[in-house]
Amino acid sequence: AQRVTQPEKLLSVFKGAPVELKCNYSYSGSPELFWYVQYSRQRLQLLLRHISRESIKGFTADLNKGETSFHLKKPFAQEEDSAMYYCALNAGGTSYGKLTFGQGTILTVHP
Amino acid sequence: GAVVSQHPSWVICKSGTSVKIECRSLDFQATTMFWYRQFPKQSLMLMATSNEGSKATYEQGVEKDKFLINHASLTLSTLTVTSAHPEDSSFYICSAPRRAGWNEQFFGPGTRLTVL
Repeated sequence: AQRVTQPEKLLSVFKGAPVELKCNYSYSGSPELFWYVQYSRQRLQLLLRHISRESIKGFTADLNKGETSFHLKKPFAQEEDSAMYYCALNAGGTSYGKLTFGQGTILTVHP
Repeated sequence: GAVVSQHPSWVICKSGTSVKIECRSLDFQATTMFWYRQFPKQSLMLMATSNEGSKATYEQGVEKDKFLINHASLTLSTLTVTSAHPEDSSFYICSAPRRAGWNEQFFGPGTRLTVL
């Protein structure tokens, strides 16, 4: 079975500092990885997916199959980045649409 | 984008009663929807896959007779928590893909269930 681990429950940085939210996964196949974000009092929304290889709101994430990681990075954090971030995995094949979530990381960006 | 709504946003019920939660795709059709459960300060856990016109498929450990799912139309899935008990109190969230077969999910705002 697949598993997603986000080792940090809380992460605090100052505005303008780089930020990295860690995500590791365990799965023997070829998964699809996502980052979802939940701002205060809002629903979960997609931030990034690894197959898109794009930068959203200054965030990037690279899938490292050797290290089974999908860390989320931003070079200069902004206060509006404060939110809960979830890393999620889809196992592919017949399990399309099903997501396995990590425990989430609360990011706080201080002014 | 695609919008998914849930109703009600919160509900309080007495132990032993049943509660129905609706999940609607507002601007697209969804042959498949997913139901998640989130305990306080914990992650989302997939409960079941709701399939339009056929039976739902449940994840291991989820009681299908406790959590009844009906996907009667291409825009509506319902989750009924039957004979609710305090341990069923949780945040229930649904999701749907914009197109069938897509992994990217659009999430509803969630429903807070409190069983007294």
